[in-house]
Amino acid sequence: DAGVIQSPRHEVTEMGQEVTLRCKPISGHDYLFWYRQTMMRGLELLIYFNNNVPIDDSGMPEDRFSAKMPNASFSTLKIQPSEPRDSAVYFCASSGPLGETYGYTFGSGTRLTVV
Amino acid sequence: GEDVEQSLFLSVREGDSSVINCTYTDSSSTYLYWYKQEPGAGLQLLTYIFSNMDMKQDQRLTVLLNKKDKHLSLRIADTQTGDSAIYFCAESFSGGYQKVTFGIGTKLQVIP
Repeated sequence: DAGVIQSPRHEVTEMGQEVTLRCKPISGHDYLFWYRQTMMRGLELLIYFNNNVPIDDSGMPEDRFSAKMPNASFSTLKIQPSEPRDSAVYFCASSGPLGETYGYTFGSGTRLTVV
Repeated sequence: GEDVEQSLFLSVREGDSSVINCTYTDSSSTYLYWYKQEPGAGLQLLTYIFSNMDMKQDQRLTVLLNKKDKHLSLRIADTQTGDSAIYFCAESFSGGYQKVTFGIGTKLQVIP
């Protein structure tokens, strides 16, 4: 398996623009997580899905953030409109049932810069 | 509540042993993990230990768990410059899914 695949690796956008981050989880994993990492706040859980259904989005900072998982192999995190304070590294991670998998497998992240 | 605490920074000389410490608050955790994050990369699972174990060894890595004190440590023997990274301690809980709570990460600097 190629692991968790995120795209793009880097994104630079202007304030006010829409940004879409993409993630392909490991095949067979039924949980998908979106995290944001900054120097100030560390690793923050934004939202997670189970079997494509959003379970907990309490970490999503504002209504400007939305996430979808239309099928088991694809998820998006959208920011509209983007703001400079959204600049961070966004990680997607996936996992399967405990005992079959241990911990989460992370993608390489998308480094977002909003100018 | 769930809380995982780690020191922010550790500096060691190449060839020495590194010990990264972590404390957690929830005694119901089932697994404890150590992740490594190299610059520009995602978190990579290094090793994990089940909560009913005291120690786990994997090549240069030794994990010690003191469940009474809720203390977890990662020892890296013969530390190399390639070990320079951020190390995250994490715990997970049973019940529904693997809810993993991460610490803030310890930056390990290896001095040649």
